[in-house]
Amino acid sequence: DAKTTQPPSMDCAEGRAANLPCNHSTISGNEYVYWYRQIHSQGPQYIIHGLKNNETNEMASLIITEDRKSSTLILPHATLRDTAVYYCIVRVGGSSNTGKLIFGQGTTLQVKP
Amino acid sequence: KAGVTQTPRYLIKTRGQQVTLSCSPISGHRSVSWYQQTPGQGLQFLFEYFSETQRNKGNFPGRFSGRQFSNSRSEMNVSTLELGDSALYLCASSFRGDPGNTIYFGEGSWLTVV
Repeated sequence: DAKTTQPPSMDCAEGRAANLPCNHSTISGNEYVYWYRQIHSQGPQYIIHGLKNNETNEMASLIITEDRKSSTLILPHATLRDTAVYYCIVRVGGSSNTGKLIFGQGTTLQVKP
Repeated sequence: KAGVTQTPRYLIKTRGQQVTLSCSPISGHRSVSWYQQTPGQGLQFLFEYFSETQRNKGNFPGRFSGRQFSNSRSEMNVSTLELGDSALYLCASSFRGDPGNTIYFGEGSWLTVV
């Protein structure tokens, strides 16, 4: 089962920041938070990931709370092309981990003009 | 750098037939994993290969199998197709598969079983 909880849907006005929350209250110290998005009929697209610190790249920012039990993905200036399903995934660390991701239902973000 | 490439993109098969899907990972990536996506079950992990060895497997029947070649390219096979196997099959690759290495997905192969 997925170790994350996300709202099923959110709306955002074009040009505004989109803040997508994710709860992962059972996260362990060696587990990473990954974000992907999937536009209809395409493969999931990697956005960003983090372990403890906040992260930023050209696509988004990831804010992880100090207790690591929740995080927020921020798209600073949402466009219509950002309309997609966003998945927050907790990925187990350590040598036992493999290339396995457990997807939940994600959040459908609708960016509106 | 080319991304993960999957072939074919679309295919239609008849119940009882078998199908083979192909995946070429990003150059230098040695871990290849496969996922099935359906409207009812969402994205589900099928299996993962690393250095030609399967090292993780999801909860799918034995009709689903795969392999990885020495050049890291991978194939998955589904035998005795059922209507419920209609899905988007996604291949993903990463350098090693550990959490410090990002997993990148291909565009998928759409399989329709009639």
